[in-house]
Amino acid sequence: EDQVTQSPEALRLQEGESSSLNCSYTVSGLRGLFWYRQDPGKGPEFLFTLYSAGEEKEKERLKATLTKKESFLHITAPKPEDSATYLCAVQAVGNTDKLIFGTGTRLQVFP
Amino acid sequence: NAGVTQTPKFRILKIGQSMTLQCAQDMNHNYMYWYRQDPGMGLKLIYYSVGAGITDKGEVPNGYNVSRSTTEDFPLRLELAAPSQTSVYFCASSTPSGGRETQYFGPGTRLLVL
Repeated sequence: EDQVTQSPEALRLQEGESSSLNCSYTVSGLRGLFWYRQDPGKGPEFLFTLYSAGEEKEKERLKATLTKKESFLHITAPKPEDSATYLCAVQAVGNTDKLIFGTGTRLQVFP
Repeated sequence: NAGVTQTPKFRILKIGQSMTLQCAQDMNHNYMYWYRQDPGMGLKLIYYSVGAGITDKGEVPNGYNVSRSTTEDFPLRLELAAPSQTSVYFCASSTPSGGRETQYFGPGTRLLVL
């Protein structure tokens, strides 16, 4: 069964304290791995898509990487405005219409 | 572009009542989706559509119905609301891109069934 596990569930960081969020996945064949940001009371906002092991993408203080079993979202020198829940989802080969989501990591960055 | 819009933002229903959650997109996307999000759980797919007139069940379709008469609109119907349907509902859309479709989400509808 296709599955996505995110860790940690919650993460508290001091402003400027870099860290990483983990997304482990089990899927018969990976077509794409997606990262979304979700603010309280809002819909998920698209951040990145990764398609193959070794691929990396960056946006401001965020960098996403992908291996054959997991993805990391690295946050460098975070700011309070980076506080949000970060969701990971996978799209399986032969199942292009559907995303399987993890439960998310709730990030809080304190000044 | 407004993107994906959803109405209402919040609704309280009594057990047994019915309602329709509205979703519209102005990006000319073929694919549309309905998810529900419960606390501590990942988003679960309810129904999806790959084009007007075509719909299919997702992971948790029981208690819901959908229709897709136009490319732009994808309403979700709740018949005989139950407390288990208390959730936040998100609509999303995407367009075929050689298997590299990115889904874009609406702001959500918060539903409380009492």
